[in-house]
Amino acid sequence: SAVISQKPSRDICQRGTSLTIQCQVDSQVTMMFWYRQQPGQSLTLIATANQGSEATYESGFVIDKFPISRPNLTFSTLTVSNMSPEDSSIYLCSVDLTDNEQFFGPGTRLTVL
Amino acid sequence: DAKTTQPTSMDCAEGRAANLPCNHSTISGNEYVYWYRQIHSQGPQYIIHGLKNNETNEMASLIITEDRKSSTLILPHATLRDTAVYYCIVRVRSLRGAQKLVFGQGTRLTINP
Repeated sequence: SAVISQKPSRDICQRGTSLTIQCQVDSQVTMMFWYRQQPGQSLTLIATANQGSEATYESGFVIDKFPISRPNLTFSTLTVSNMSPEDSSIYLCSVDLTDNEQFFGPGTRLTVL
Repeated sequence: DAKTTQPTSMDCAEGRAANLPCNHSTISGNEYVYWYRQIHSQGPQYIIHGLKNNETNEMASLIITEDRKSSTLILPHATLRDTAVYYCIVRVRSLRGAQKLVFGQGTRLTINP
């Protein structure tokens, strides 16, 4: 299994500002994933982050809005830029450790005023 | 990507077996069926997965029909702690080979005392 931590666990931000969310894994992993869960909705994949290369974004998500860093095999950050109230969501990172199951972090609950 | 269809909500009495259905009629031959659950305010938790054979682990059983177009997750003795949203997911591969998960709306299972 994998232990995944995220910081911050929650935050309240003003529109127009940016927030960087950190994801730390207790083991080295090749792929890390970032998901968004809007209120009352299911999870939507934002991007896949591979160490040493640029992240791959899903349709509807762009690097300027959600820049991602992946400096090593245990860490990644997701930045939510120029935030608006529509960005209020839970943001989750996950890792594909065993090729059979993904492990998810506890999530970061973001509220944008 | 194969899509899944699940009932929006289900109720089950504590101690009884909870049977959660899922339709995935467009599944392709090399795609697996995965089940995850999300307890309120937590990250999704892996439950079980299968390709064509029935599977059982300490949490649940997975029954996949012979044509693989549907499956059923069985929680044999449901407890109040099993109250959660259950997601049936067909695992896909992105262009770069990453194992991303595509979440549907899931089934909100409520276990009643």
